[in-house]
Amino acid sequence: EAGVVQSPRYKIIEKKQPVAFWCNPISGHNTLYWYRQNLGQGPELLIRYENEEAVDDSQLPKDRFSAERLKGVDSTLKIQPAELGDSAVYLCASSLGGGNEQFFGPGTRLTVL
Amino acid sequence: AQTVTQSQPEMSVQEAETVTLSCTYDTSESDYYLFWYKQPPSRQMILVIRQEAYKQQNATENRFSVNFQKAAKSFSLKISDSQLGDAAMYFCAYRFYSGNTGKLIFGQGTTLQVKP
Repeated sequence: EAGVVQSPRYKIIEKKQPVAFWCNPISGHNTLYWYRQNLGQGPELLIRYENEEAVDDSQLPKDRFSAERLKGVDSTLKIQPAELGDSAVYLCASSLGGGNEQFFGPGTRLTVL
Repeated sequence: AQTVTQSQPEMSVQEAETVTLSCTYDTSESDYYLFWYKQPPSRQMILVIRQEAYKQQNATENRFSVNFQKAAKSFSLKISDSQLGDAAMYFCAYRFYSGNTGKLIFGQGTTLQVKP
């Protein structure tokens, strides 16, 4: 069974540029999470989806971050415009329901210059 | 608010020896889950072990075991017979029990080095 797929693995952009990350969860997993992991820190939840509905986006900086999960499967996280402080690893995870084990993807390492 | 603290930024162990990683947490809840995750350089988080707070028995998974002290709000991970493949960053994490939020609250991590 394929795991959580994320792309790209690495992204380097200039500040003020837009960037998007893509996540394909494990087949059948209705819950999807986006986490941000700063260097040397643990991940922090940005947004959680139950199917196509964002049910917890309290930590998402809504002025520049947006996310969508069309048809309740793949998800895209976007930053526009990117700032230097957005440099981090962006992890996607999925689970079969919010109360079950989360499976993580390999993450996207974003560097903003 | 719930917090998770890992006070050991780095630890090292000799191959085949035993090492213990520390974690403390703060919560006013009585029921919750605690986890240890491993993150190798590939960055993919892997679940190592899980503990339900309502269970008094400490969880074990092969060479990995925990020492769960609920009153002290302490949750340490013991790795026995350490192997080179155990080298990674280890995160302690907390999750609410009630409501299917699934939100994980992570500590800062401990980098484990295994010496041959």
